[in-house]
Amino acid sequence: DVKVTQSSRYLVKRTGEKVFLECVQDMDHENMFWYRQDPGLGLRLIYFSYDVKMKEKGDIPEGYSVSREKKERFSLILESASTNQTSMYLCASSSPAQSANTEAFFGQGTRLTVV
Amino acid sequence: QQQVKQSPQSLIVQKGGISIINCAYENTAFDYFPWYQQFPGKGPALLIAIRPDVSEKKEGRFTISFNKSAKQFSLHIMDSQPGDSATYFCAASIFGNQFYFGTGTSLTVIP
Repeated sequence: DVKVTQSSRYLVKRTGEKVFLECVQDMDHENMFWYRQDPGLGLRLIYFSYDVKMKEKGDIPEGYSVSREKKERFSLILESASTNQTSMYLCASSSPAQSANTEAFFGQGTRLTVV
Repeated sequence: QQQVKQSPQSLIVQKGGISIINCAYENTAFDYFPWYQQFPGKGPALLIAIRPDVSEKKEGRFTISFNKSAKQFSLHIMDSQPGDSATYFCAASIFGNQFYFGTGTSLTVIP
């Protein structure tokens, strides 16, 4: 059974803290993504990565950074958490189109509250 | 700028009825159009997907209709059931390397 695993389901952090959200996939996928989900706004792409040590900004990268040191792991970092970063964060992975299945697989999400 | 526009935002359907969710896109480079289903507390999961070389794809009670010239696609849920109550997202992708999602539709199927 394929899996994308996010390290925490719920997190509460204080304003100004540095926050790490971890994501691991076991499907040997090249692509990994971080989205945030807010009511009425859908899923918005924060960052994505095509390969180890590669990263590309998505639509809303401000206030975030990422790290991909190993193929299976993609970390999202909030350098200095703010209350407007309170949200549901979703990690996903996929294979490029050369393979048969281009489906994006999602983790269960991390609900982050910044107080 | 929203790459994929989805409507309606919410939908209430009677059990046994047909649920229809619509999406539109602008970028003709998109080559893969999946629909995702999300239950509360879970991540989205692929429901059904289509490529632009076909106009319709059916899997059980779920059908995607695709109109390439109008740059629109829709999800039809036939014989809607209370267990279909969830949030549905349409998406579009280029070569499976980046996915753009609609804003989601909250579907409630009432018994």
